[in-house]
Amino acid sequence: GAVVSQHPSRVICKSGTSVKIECRSLDFQATTMFWYRQFPKQSLMLMATSNEGSKATYEQGVEKDKFLINHASLTLSTLTVTSAHPEDSSFYICSARPGSGSEAYNEQFFGPGTRLTVL
Amino acid sequence: EDKVVQSPLSLVVHEGDTVTLNCSYEVTNFRSLLWYKQEKKAPTFLFMLTSSGIEKKSGRLSSILDKKELFSILNITATQTGDSAIYLCAVEPLYNFNKFYFGSGTKLNVKP
Repeated sequence: GAVVSQHPSRVICKSGTSVKIECRSLDFQATTMFWYRQFPKQSLMLMATSNEGSKATYEQGVEKDKFLINHASLTLSTLTVTSAHPEDSSFYICSARPGSGSEAYNEQFFGPGTRLTVL
Repeated sequence: EDKVVQSPLSLVVHEGDTVTLNCSYEVTNFRSLLWYKQEKKAPTFLFMLTSSGIEKKSGRLSSILDKKELFSILNITATQTGDSAIYLCAVEPLYNFNKFYFGSGTKLNVKP
């Protein structure tokens, strides 16, 4: 149980285009999902917290107009990188936290990540 | 500012060795500390620690938390090449239980 999927796993795009990344909790409902960014040889940096049915909470320094987050259902959150530029190239990982009724409420389950390369 | 520091940054050992990875933290109102293993892709959960002095074990891996000295260690005994990965430590504050602060990780390389 507690599987999180991400799609696509890898995307290459031209500068100026927008890219949408999906994060799905496959076998549980996730009231909260998280989006992280990871640069090579660096740790995970939390970008934003996504709550179902409400606006995402962005970390300091993360542009909310650049990284649009939508959490339309209890099993799906999307991250859209708008007008992507080469400096947006990175590994984006989502995680999902089960609802308070779950035994695993205190855990975050990570998706496999999406490698974004902007040319 | 809340922060998590892991050491060493990287480590090379031979199969059969025992390793100890360190994680120290400064967090206002601590809630929990978590260890993850990251290989090629997503981190996988290893342990969650909330209480001082209680060791958690899973096979050859074990971990313990010291809330007085603000650190945790992750031990791996009889290491195998499959243990090669980046080990991440994350701390969750009480005031914002949704936010995990990750350390920079320890890259472990186990040679045959």
